[in-house]
Amino acid sequence: DTEVTQTPKHLVMGMTNKKSLKCEQHMGHRAMYWYKQKAKKPPELMFVYSYEKLSINESVPSRFSPECPNSSLLNLHLHALQPEDSALYLCASSQVFRGTLSPLHFGNGTRLTVT
Amino acid sequence: AQTVTQSQPEMSVQEAETVTLSCTYDTSENNYYLFWYKQPPSRQMILVIRQEAYKQQNATENRFSVNFQKAAKSFSLKISDSQLGDTAMYFCAFKRTGANSKLTFGKGITLSVRP
Repeated sequence: DTEVTQTPKHLVMGMTNKKSLKCEQHMGHRAMYWYKQKAKKPPELMFVYSYEKLSINESVPSRFSPECPNSSLLNLHLHALQPEDSALYLCASSQVFRGTLSPLHFGNGTRLTVT
Repeated sequence: AQTVTQSQPEMSVQEAETVTLSCTYDTSENNYYLFWYKQPPSRQMILVIRQEAYKQQNATENRFSVNFQKAAKSFSLKISDSQLGDTAMYFCAFKRTGANSKLTFGKGITLSVRP
């Protein structure tokens, strides 16, 4: 069982819809991440939150809007997406220890299809 | 910038045999972390093994071990007694020290274990 829970598992949305992806962890991790992954490709980093503050935004289009309401939750709000945004969206979390090994723990992902 | 190279796109191994997946990386850092992640068809990214660059001893986790050659910037994964459940995509990844450093993935390799 994964310790990082993502909902929904699958999402189909039209280009004019607004939807949200949710991620939850209860491991006490204070860093949370959103990744986008296309088939047979490595994950691409989108956003990083550290202590509930956005610390990295990898020049992601504004139609993706992240939110970290508390230390356990991470949301990704979607609006006016394009078909090329169809992908697997992975959430991850980790400890925040400077200079200390802190691997990422991933969720099972949300498979997003934009029609 | 760091780069991670996995030059083999696919490999196949007979069940119960041993297979080695190669990974090289490029960095000017002296301290860093290296990881192998596994992504089966269930799509969750699972940490297989990790290595801290300042440790000379190669990491091992049950049937999984690494051959870490710091001078050659090589980090290969050996899977002993391969099992059908090892069938997955495997990603090598690099991370600098520091709380907000990013995880850099290689392109991945698809491993198939034949019965």
